[in-house]
Amino acid sequence: QVQLQESGPGLVKPSGTLSLTCAVSIGSISGSNWWSWVRQPPGKGLEWIGEIFHSGSTNYNPSLKSRVTISVDKSKNHFSLKLRSVTAADTAVYHCARRGPYYDSSGSYLKVLDYWGQGTLVTVSS
Amino acid sequence: SYEVTQPPSVSVSPGQTARITCSGDALPNHYAYWYQQKAGQAPVVLIYKDTERPSGIPERFSGSSSGTTVTLTISGVQAEDEADYFCQSADSSGTWVFGGGTKLTVL
Repeated sequence: QVQLQESGPGLVKPSGTLSLTCAVSIGSISGSNWWSWVRQPPGKGLEWIGEIFHSGSTNYNPSLKSRVTISVDKSKNHFSLKLRSVTAADTAVYHCARRGPYYDSSGSYLKVLDYWGQGTLVTVSS
Repeated sequence: SYEVTQPPSVSVSPGQTARITCSGDALPNHYAYWYQQKAGQAPVVLIYKDTERPSGIPERFSGSSSGTTVTLTISGVQAEDEADYFCQSADSSGTWVFGGGTKLTVL
């Protein structure tokens, strides 16, 4: 069973850079899946940040694209998130997740996240 | 920006049927997915491709779609079903979009 675990600083100063890593265990990051970051501000809904394939190809949420970089390290079987120029509005629980191996009848890859990490709270505050 | 809209809360007694809706103009063109999130836990996918249920998800969870609204139906609600439920879809550019979530209270 795929397991994902987020790690990184729980406190980041305003205007700083948020950096998180997601360790993938019991499964290879070099398979056919894409890997995502999703965040959840306290008491609010989910927001998709972006995704990466092991080749390094990425897709980002346009609302965050100018500040986000997602990268992958196949040798360590993990992927990472960097969010620059953070403000209090970036305070959230950050989840990493796997885009599951689901396809429709035409072969299109479905946008469903089948395994999630527990999430890590990152607070932006001075 | 595109949004999908859910009711903030739904309440139901044990054994009854709960229906949680999700509305959005692009839903006729993009599949919907449903997740359950219990307090302090990671989300779990309940429904994909509007109506399909992953293996291991109880049959009491079902999904349906009609026009610009998709619905998650929980038949025979149990106390353990108390959780937040999120719908997810995509906008015209393919950007993933989540609803604001619906808190299901089992009375």
